[in-house]
Amino acid sequence: QQQVKQSPQSLIVQKGGISIINCAYENTAFDYFPWYQQFPGKGPALLIAIRPDVSEKKEGRFTISFNKSAKQFSLHIMDSQPGDSATYFCAAESRGNTDKLIFGTGTRLQVFP
Amino acid sequence: DADVTQTPRNRITKTGKRIMLECSQTKGHDRMYWYRQDPGLGLRLIYYSFDVKDINKGEISDGYSVSRQAQAKFSLSLESAIPNQTALYFCATSRALASTDTQYFGPGTRLTVL
Repeated sequence: QQQVKQSPQSLIVQKGGISIINCAYENTAFDYFPWYQQFPGKGPALLIAIRPDVSEKKEGRFTISFNKSAKQFSLHIMDSQPGDSATYFCAAESRGNTDKLIFGTGTRLQVFP
Repeated sequence: DADVTQTPRNRITKTGKRIMLECSQTKGHDRMYWYRQDPGLGLRLIYYSFDVKDINKGEISDGYSVSRQAQAKFSLSLESAIPNQTALYFCATSRALASTDTQYFGPGTRLTVL
């Protein structure tokens, strides 16, 4: 059972463009939503995270938008750069309950100059 | 992350062989995890351990076993490897009861079962 659905599977964006990756979840007990970034040959690393008490969180060019009623959240990468080319995973967790991250299936982003 | 190391980094083995993947961490974290990554399936949890005496199955534990030898070491074993266990395996760690549950991943082990 896929509790966190991620789309698209792959994304090609030109340098300077906006990259948008979407995730949807089913379990209303989830209360922590991180995004992980993975470069080829490396393990995933935390990029940015949000809790459901806010609708948006921004860190530099990266923004998470969160829609609690729709049970959806998305990652926006502004002014996308070739160095952003990586695989991105959304995840969700019910902290203090299961304390386990449930990951989406990943999006491979390629940013061309 | 150099604080979480995995050995070996690459391994090719044959069907039926016993394989052990090792993970060590110097972050002092209590919690450790084993995931496998497959194209199109993302990261799936195999086993996790919240402390040395606590071992729990994840969503895809069949065919795998683990051992938590110490706070810093968590090993994953495939008792009799099969081709559909060919995948990228990651170990991760996190702090217990942290305000943010960041997981720190090792560099991964690419396992091929022929």
